[in-house]
Amino acid sequence: DAGVTQSPTHLIKTRGQQVTLRCSPKSGHDTVSWYQQALGQGPQFIFQYYEEEERQRGNFPDRFSGHQFPNYSSELNVNALLLGDSALYLCASSPRGFYEQYFGPGTRLTVT
Amino acid sequence: QKEVEQNSGPLSVPEGAIASLNCTYSDRGSQSFFWYRQYSGKSPELIMFIYSNGDKEDGRFTAQLNKASQYVSLLIRDSQPSDSATYLCAVKEMDSSYKLIFGSGTRLLVRP
Repeated sequence: DAGVTQSPTHLIKTRGQQVTLRCSPKSGHDTVSWYQQALGQGPQFIFQYYEEEERQRGNFPDRFSGHQFPNYSSELNVNALLLGDSALYLCASSPRGFYEQYFGPGTRLTVT
Repeated sequence: QKEVEQNSGPLSVPEGAIASLNCTYSDRGSQSFFWYRQYSGKSPELIMFIYSNGDKEDGRFTAQLNKASQYVSLLIRDSQPSDSATYLCAVKEMDSSYKLIFGSGTRLLVRP
């Protein structure tokens, strides 16, 4: 039973560029949440997708956007990258009706 | 601003001892509580969740919840060097919210 998968593992971008991160949820899960984790901090909630719509959003600017596909996989897009966007980006999936969230391995984004 | 507070540590315990990790939260309406383990350079792994007051045991782990005092704790019995990691406490707010709010984590060091 495959867990949550994310791609790519690492990414280096230049300030001002755009990036797309991808996530496939655990089998049987239909809800995907995205988090940003800075070094030494806990994950910060970006948004959650359910039934292909953004269900809830955290305190992140509109530069952060997402999408969920009919197969429940999801993308996180970040435009106009800033140095401060450098972080570990985590995708988490949940089964329908349950609150537990299971994280993927993450994508380490470095903005130079 | 709803907060989850944890002592950053490190909490150092000898092998075989009981490690006690604590977490307090500010939102009295919080419903669900989670403990994640995060090894250095890896993503968080869900190890326990608790929804009701009292204790919940799973193997060497016991989660304790006291909603009146707004704290949740994690006990690790017979601590092993492999338990050395950062432990993140996460809280789900009221029913209408889906996001998890994380503390910054407590670093646990189990000495052989």
